[in-house]
Amino acid sequence: AQTVTQSQPEMSVQEAETVTLSCTYDTSESDYYLFWYKQPPSRQMILVIRQEAYKQQNATENRFSVNFQKAAKSFSLKISDSQLGDAAMYFCAYRANYGGSQGNLIFGKGTKLSVKP
Amino acid sequence: KAGVTQTPRYLIKTRGQQVTLSCSPISGHRSVSWYQQTPGQGLQFLFEYFSETQRNKGNFPGRFSGRQFSNSRSEMNVSTLELGDSALYLCASSLGVSGAQETQYFGPGTRLLVL
Repeated sequence: AQTVTQSQPEMSVQEAETVTLSCTYDTSESDYYLFWYKQPPSRQMILVIRQEAYKQQNATENRFSVNFQKAAKSFSLKISDSQLGDAAMYFCAYRANYGGSQGNLIFGKGTKLSVKP
Repeated sequence: KAGVTQTPRYLIKTRGQQVTLSCSPISGHRSVSWYQQTPGQGLQFLFEYFSETQRNKGNFPGRFSGRQFSNSRSEMNVSTLELGDSALYLCASSLGVSGAQETQYFGPGTRLLVL
């Protein structure tokens, strides 16, 4: 069975600084996607960034980037120039790719990120 | 384009009752997935519906069921409620045709409290 582990229940960062959130996963599949989702307090969960397992190049989305280490099954999220609006729960998620069909998202337990002004 | 909507937003029930939650996906999306979020277990997948058919199912007891209508709106039902069913229930919609790369768009959730 696939699992996703986030070892940091809480993290804190100073505004304008950089923070890295860790995620490891376990799977025997070779074709899958990894995601980071953000869930602000009392607001809807939104996708931050996604990474395809077959792509060696790390995904980036503005201030958000990932460090994808497929052999180590590691998928960390780096947030640069942190802003107060980045404060939220961050979930790492995995989804196997079964061709036309799609497996369900498997989530880690989340990391609560606080941003200090 | 309107986002994913869920009704009701909050619900209080007592043990033994049943409850029905509703989810309206983004227009054009044919896949609706349901997740249960609790502090202890985190986010757990319940089931996915695509074109009125259950395409995927998580590891939940038979008290949890769902359905999807021809307009892609989905409902989930929980019968014989237990205290442990207290949770935030999230639904997510996607096109459902492009595999695992598709973005799932989440609704605001329905917070269920079972007393």
